[in-house]
Amino acid sequence: SQTIHQWPATLVQPVGSPLSLECTVEGTSNPNLYWYRQAAGRGLQLLFYSVGIGQISSEVPQNLSASRPQDRQFILSSKKLLLSDSGFYLCAWGDRAIGAFFGQGTRLTVV
Amino acid sequence: AQRVTQPEKLLSVFKGAPVELKCNYSYSGSPELFWYVQYSRQRLQLLLRHISRESIKGFTADLNKGETSFHLKKPFAQEEDSAMYYCALSAQGGSEKLVFGKGTKLTVNP
Repeated sequence: SQTIHQWPATLVQPVGSPLSLECTVEGTSNPNLYWYRQAAGRGLQLLFYSVGIGQISSEVPQNLSASRPQDRQFILSSKKLLLSDSGFYLCAWGDRAIGAFFGQGTRLTVV
Repeated sequence: AQRVTQPEKLLSVFKGAPVELKCNYSYSGSPELFWYVQYSRQRLQLLLRHISRESIKGFTADLNKGETSFHLKKPFAQEEDSAMYYCALSAQGGSEKLVFGKGTKLTVNP
């Protein structure tokens, strides 16, 4: 069966520091991968999605970037964090037919 | 552009009462629609897909293309149904984007 791992679960970072959140999927090949940010009252905001290695689509211009160096690995990064980057970040795999399956999420607090 | 609207941020019903969580979408083509649920302290999980025409935990949802709606219904709400519910849409034949609404928090009171 397919599983998705996302880490760390919580992260506190100072403003201006870099960020790297990692997500890996097991049990499936060539999955679509997604990064979302979840905020109270704003729902799930799609940040990036990827249909294959090296293929990244950005939905929201911002201080973040994503990369997919391997088939089942998806990384969310920032060179310099802003206070506004605080939030709950979710990784998911899936496709438009079956929907998305989510990781546990990362609570990022920028201080 | 794909858009999902859930007009109710909060919905409160009593146990045993019917419940309907509204979802409207905007998309010019044929959509794939989903409902997701997030119980307290649990990860977001898929509840049902319109293409499956399934009933999960007593919930059903019917796609109404004329009204561009995909409302989630349950005839008799249970306290354990209290959770955050999200409607989502992907574009059949389009990109692989999966777009979510802002969610509705359902509270079922005893």
